[in-house]
Order: sequence, then structure tokens, then C-alpha cells
Amino acid sequence: DAMVIQNPRYQVTQFGKPVTLSCSQTLNHNVMYWYQQKSSQAPKLLFHYYDKDFNNEADTPDNFQSRRPNTSFCFLDIRSPGLGDAAMYLCATSRDRAEAQHFGDGTRLSIL
Amino acid sequence: AQKVTQAQTEISVVEKEDVTLDCVYETRDTTYYLFWYKQPPSGELVFLIRRNSFDEQNEISGRYSWNFQKSTSSFNFTITASQVVDSAVYFCALSSWGGRTYNTDKLIFGTGTRLQVFP
Repeated sequence: DAMVIQNPRYQVTQFGKPVTLSCSQTLNHNVMYWYQQKSSQAPKLLFHYYDKDFNNEADTPDNFQSRRPNTSFCFLDIRSPGLGDAAMYLCATSRDRAEAQHFGDGTRLSIL
Repeated sequence: AQKVTQAQTEISVVEKEDVTLDCVYETRDTTYYLFWYKQPPSGELVFLIRRNSFDEQNEISGRYSWNFQKSTSSFNFTITASQVVDSAVYFCALSSWGGRTYNTDKLIFGTGTRLQVFP
């Protein structure tokens, strides 16, 4: 059974049109992460939540926002997607700091 | 600075060959954690192993084994008798203390090694 679930699997949006990607977990883990992965590159951390504490990476564009309304759900909002934001977006969870991160299947975002 | 280097961009082997994926890391912290992840063509990242800096024992799990050597800052991964299903990109990653608790939430990934196993 999937424990970190990302919806949708594929998302197509228009240049400049806001889009939201969702992630849910059944593991009751404290930490939730969002990564961006472009073709043939390593995943790049955008931000993460430790419980309700939000930690933004210094180089994450302001265009990217996140919400974690409860333990189970975390959302990635891209306010005005540009062509350069086309990528795979990976959600991950971990029980606590420095523990193994468990990833969802990812959402592949395309920008028209 | 923290860094993970996977010098091998791509490796191709024939089924049943053994293959070793190299990983070299850099950190000034004495407490840190090392990980390996597998990313098959379907895209999801699959956790394989986590080691902490105080445990240098090598580990074996089926056809997989890991060699952690602090003296050379390496954490190499060997697949014995490789199979076609092992074809994937493999990432080595590091998280370390750095004096701030949230630093240990971060994974520093290497650039990955693409392994292709041919029948």
C-alpha cells in the first residue's frame, strides 16, 4: 500500500497559471519535504516542514509556496509557473530528523 | 561545506556481473548520516540504506552490500550478480548536524550514477 501519495501523477498547466500539487502520508511522520528534480539531475530540496515549523531553502524562488494544514497533508503551490518550472516534484516524509526519507511517486509538471 | 561526489555518471554491465558504485562525501561534522537511494525509470526514489557516522560496520542485504570507510570518506555500494531489474539511477546522500537541528533534515544528494544491466 502506498504510504506517501502524490496527486496528480501528471499535471499540465499554462504559463503563469497557478497550480497546486498535493501530497498525503499514512505514516504519521513529523517531517514532510518537497523536492524539485529536473531531467538527469539530483533532487533539489525546496522546503520542508518539521511538524508545523516551515523551513525554506535560501535559493527557493518566491514563486513556490507550501502549506501543511495537518500532519497528513502537504501542498506545493506554484503561483505563476514559468517554463523553467517544468520538472518532477517529489514529496517525501521522515519520522524524525536524519531518518530515512520515504518518497512518493512524484508529480511530473509540464508547462504549456 | 557538505558535498557528495559520485564520479561515475553511467555504468553498463551484463547480467550476473558484480558492480560497485562509488560515493565520496565531505563534511566537517562528526555526526552525520549517509544514505543510498534507487530511482528506477518509473521515477520514485526508493530508500536502500542509512548509516550513521559512528557505525563503520559493513552491511549486507541480499545481493546488496555497503562499504563505509571514514578514513577515505567513502560509502560504496556493491551489487553482486546484477540483474536487469537493478537498472536505475542510484543516489548517495548525506545529512549532517552542522550545529542546527534542521540541518539534519536536509539530504545533500550526489549527482547519481545510472546503472544499466543488460541481459
